[in-house]
Amino acid sequence: GAGVSQSPSNKVTEKGKDVELRCDPISGHTALYWYRQSLGQGLEFLIYFQGNSAPDKSGLPSDRFSAERTGGSVSTLTIQRTQQEDSAVYLCASSPREEIAGVREQYFGPGTRLTVT
Amino acid sequence: QKEVEQNSGPLSVPEGAIASLNCTYSDRGSQSFFWYRQYSGKSPELIMFIYSNGDKEDGRFTAQLNKASQYVSLLIRDSQPSDSATYLCAVNLGGTYKYIFGTGTRLKVLA
Repeated sequence: GAGVSQSPSNKVTEKGKDVELRCDPISGHTALYWYRQSLGQGLEFLIYFQGNSAPDKSGLPSDRFSAERTGGSVSTLTIQRTQQEDSAVYLCASSPREEIAGVREQYFGPGTRLTVT
Repeated sequence: QKEVEQNSGPLSVPEGAIASLNCTYSDRGSQSFFWYRQYSGKSPELIMFIYSNGDKEDGRFTAQLNKASQYVSLLIRDSQPSDSATYLCAVNLGGTYKYIFGTGTRLKVLA
């Protein structure tokens, strides 16, 4: 079946502009995550959504970052007034509600490479 | 602060050898542990997960978990040049959907 998809794959923007990054999770997956990966770094958790519950926004680095998930499916991560330090690969992952022996697996999309000039 | 620690490497092993990748974690409430492989410029792909103390084998890969020592490892037998990648360790905090990732270990398998 189809995996997690993200768009655009690459985005170059000027400092100060707003950007929107899109994630389409695997059909039926109830949990959706956004991570950021800077060059040579690990994955930095940003936000996750689970069903109709309030999202966990504890990883968002500033109030310039926001995300929404419409209809329990597609999610958009918005970065306002972009800064050069926002340059990174933004990865989306989804996870099914069902557990396998108490374990929920994450499946990652291909990522969006954001470059702020 | 909940942390997952990995040696950044690179870890270089000759082709056919066993590669051993290690990870420690700080939160004793952690319940499940994941190993991802990430090729340069690509997204992470799940190799395997483990949640019980001991060993779990899947093909050439073996995950080892020691909750008392807060230690998880990944062994790759008969390493191949195609195994050259960054290996990320991730921990799922018990009762949550939250995952904490290590910064990864870069593995180089020399032909």
